[in-house]
Amino acid sequence: NAGVTQTPKFQVLKTGQSMTLQCAQDMNHNSMYWYRQDPGMGLRLIYYSASEGTTDKGEVPNGYNVSRLNKREFSLRLESAAPSQTSVYFCASWKGQGDEKLFFGSGTQLSVL
Amino acid sequence: QKEVEQNSGPLSVPEGAIASLNCTYSDRGSQSFFWYRQYSGKSPELIMSIYSNGDKEDGRFTAQLNKASQYVSLLIRDSQPSDSATYLCAPRGSSASKIIFGSGTRLSIRP
Repeated sequence: NAGVTQTPKFQVLKTGQSMTLQCAQDMNHNSMYWYRQDPGMGLRLIYYSASEGTTDKGEVPNGYNVSRLNKREFSLRLESAAPSQTSVYFCASWKGQGDEKLFFGSGTQLSVL
Repeated sequence: QKEVEQNSGPLSVPEGAIASLNCTYSDRGSQSFFWYRQYSGKSPELIMSIYSNGDKEDGRFTAQLNKASQYVSLLIRDSQPSDSATYLCAPRGSSASKIIFGSGTRLSIRP
């Protein structure tokens, strides 16, 4: 059982470059999330998708866009990367009812130079 | 006011003692409360959930909830070096799908 799979695991960008972080879950979960975690800090919610076809802003959405491609996949796009977006990015999913546990991917370490 | 507040620490506790971690939240509609543990360089993992006022015990861990005070805590008894990690509080608010975390408390257990 793969759970939540994020790609890539590491990425280095130059300021102004664009990239898309991919996330897929194989647990038939309804809700999916993107968080960022700066060194020594907690998780900050960037965007989330409560169900297929919907997306909503979290705490720190500026500079990001998302796409809920289907029930399995939720991607995060940086259109013009900035050094302030250097962080570890975590994707997570939640069944949406019953089991309350969030399942996390292994994270993407992104550095913007 | 932040939606979820935790003391950032670091909190240093001697091995074998009780570690007490605190969390306050602003959304009075929150019904479910979760504690995650995160080791350095790893993903967070759920260690406790609590839904009703009072205490909930699971092994060495006890979660305490007081909805009137908008306060949730985590006690770790007989602290072990393996408990050294960052502990994240995550209430589930009125918008059930929007899951916000606190900034985390870094706990260090000293031998």
